[in-house]
Amino acid sequence: AQSVTQLGSHVSVSEGALVLLRCNYSSSVPPYLFWYVQYPNQGLQLLLKYTTGATLVKGINGFEAEFKKSETSFHLTKPSAHMSDAAEYFCAVSGTSGTYKYIFGTGTRLKVLA
Amino acid sequence: EAEVAQSPRYKITEKSQAVAFWCDPISGHATLYWYRQILGQGPELLVQFQDESVVDDSQLPKDRFSAERLKGVDSTLKIQPAELGDSAMYLCASSFDRYNEQFFGPGTRLTVL
Repeated sequence: AQSVTQLGSHVSVSEGALVLLRCNYSSSVPPYLFWYVQYPNQGLQLLLKYTTGATLVKGINGFEAEFKKSETSFHLTKPSAHMSDAAEYFCAVSGTSGTYKYIFGTGTRLKVLA
Repeated sequence: EAEVAQSPRYKITEKSQAVAFWCDPISGHATLYWYRQILGQGPELLVQFQDESVVDDSQLPKDRFSAERLKGVDSTLKIQPAELGDSAMYLCASSFDRYNEQFFGPGTRLTVL
């Protein structure tokens, strides 16, 4: 069975500092991987996804993530945090066959300090 | 830009009452999903439709929850009777097909008193 672990339910960074949100997955086969962002009382918005090909994936709003098979990780980074980045971030994994069901992590709430 | 629509945005009900949520996916999207998101957790899939057919409802509490997508377009999720533990955000998502990324609606926040 697939699973996702997001280390750190809360992360605080200063404005302009590096953002690093951690995601590790468990899967018997290389999965598809996603990062979504959720603002209060809103739905989820896709930041980026990895399916096949280049392991460094660039997304919207300056975010990027790197798929590391050997470490079963898909950490999300942004070089310089902005106040508008404060939100909850979810990592998700899906299989590459069948229903392609998404399994979400428990989320990381990012706080950006002025 | 096309969006997934959901209504209502907020619903307060008393336990044992019936509630219903509506979702209109992005036009042309064949796959529709209903998720439940408990506060502080990630979304959990309740049911997945491919056109009008259910392809996964393994996590749907079928004694009280039902979902339909009669014409393969919009969908309704119903809870009868509601219980206190059903308080959560109910999210609808759609995708062109099951292989493509999912687009989420704004959700319905349900409070059961």
